[in-house]
Amino acid sequence: DSGVTQTPKHLITATGQRVTLRCSPRSGDLSVYWYQQSLDQGLQFLIQYYNGEERAKGNILERFSAQQFPDLHSELNLSSLELGDSALYFCASSGPARGTSNEQFFGPGTRLTVL
Amino acid sequence: AQSVTQLDSHVSVSEGTPVLLRCNYSSSYSPSLFWYVQHPNKGLQLLLKYTSAATLVKGINGFEAEFKKSETSFHLTKPSAHMSDAAEYFCVVRGQAGTALIFGKGTTLSVSS
Repeated sequence: DSGVTQTPKHLITATGQRVTLRCSPRSGDLSVYWYQQSLDQGLQFLIQYYNGEERAKGNILERFSAQQFPDLHSELNLSSLELGDSALYFCASSGPARGTSNEQFFGPGTRLTVL
Repeated sequence: AQSVTQLDSHVSVSEGTPVLLRCNYSSSYSPSLFWYVQHPNKGLQLLLKYTSAATLVKGINGFEAEFKKSETSFHLTKPSAHMSDAAEYFCVVRGQAGTALIFGKGTTLSVSS
């Protein structure tokens, strides 16, 4: 158990809908990262937040957005869902230091299925 | 830009035989490299990491990896495979911005009895 929690574990929805994925980092970690794992694209970095502020962006679509709240939990919002958005979405956390050597601890993931 | 290439998409071994999972990296500076493992329907677990200290890195569960700058390689090895080692293994490099991780395509390790 990494200490990173994600809810829900599974999510099934229809095209065009909007969903919210939630992540709680390990106690004391200030950074939260979101990754997407799909069959065709593999594991890709989406976005990082550090202590409530966006720090880095990867291959995140404009239909997707994220935020980190004062209690440090994070939400990833996916809208206008398409079939190709079906994937496993991981959250990871690291910190509390701002340095680049911090290990990232991954949550169990949320499996999103878009029908 | 940083990248990693996992040379085998699937490796099959017998229980008790050595494991070798190959990874080459590309980086414009001294990289931070990792191996992660993903068991079926589980999250990602860090096996080991290289951050410019010793070139031979020991990880959990008997795995180790050697950083070879001249060959730009970071292969993962284990002397004797166990059935529980069957999983997906990812070679990972830290991105240039120093935050995000860049994953290889993964190698599926199968272990037969």
